[in-house]
Amino acid sequence: DGGITQSPKYLFRKEGQNVTLSCEQNLNHDAMYWYRQDPGQGLRLIYYSQIVNDFQKGDIAEGYSVSREKKESFPLTVTSAQKNPTAFYLCASSILARTDTQYFGPGTRLTVL
Amino acid sequence: AQTVTQSQPEMSVQEAETVTLSCTYDTSESDYYLFWYKQPPSRQMILVIRQEAYKQQNATENRFSVNFQKAAKSFSLKISDSQLGDAAMYFCAYRSYNTNAGKSTFGDGTTLTVKP
Repeated sequence: DGGITQSPKYLFRKEGQNVTLSCEQNLNHDAMYWYRQDPGQGLRLIYYSQIVNDFQKGDIAEGYSVSREKKESFPLTVTSAQKNPTAFYLCASSILARTDTQYFGPGTRLTVL
Repeated sequence: AQTVTQSQPEMSVQEAETVTLSCTYDTSESDYYLFWYKQPPSRQMILVIRQEAYKQQNATENRFSVNFQKAAKSFSLKISDSQLGDAAMYFCAYRSYNTNAGKSTFGDGTTLTVKP
């Protein structure tokens, strides 16, 4: 089945640690995205990538980093510089960045201990 | 910058009845897309319906339809014959066609409760 997978589903981090969230898609989509969702709020864009080896900052990129070495993979690293990383993280992809609907993965819940 | 406002944090509807969720947005652009997404307790975001701004005809998907008023910058979602499975958080989203190509702007959501 085609789709977007995110792992792990739940992730716990100690303060000062970097953690990496995985996002993989087998839809052959060019564009991929990372969003953050806080309780009672909508989604905010962290980073997006329209093509391999290229990515752009979204609205809340500080404290996060990404890479796009392969078309199907777009991992997100939450660094120790992110002061309030506890949130729900959603990865999405679309055929093209400009025109197409974004489809979402199941999400990763990150909790800082 | 574009903004999306959902003025109803919570709504409830009786099973089999109709409910309308409101969304307004602010933009200076003429070409864009609007979406409604559903987020059930599993938290998976599911596309409900999509509307291209250049289309005058309102989008429809089975029991879901929109009322798109471009001049008023309004994009409401109507759910007919509500079912228990419709209970979820609903997000309205705006996406530019021309600029900031990767960016979608989301509202804060409306939590819909369906009463049996």
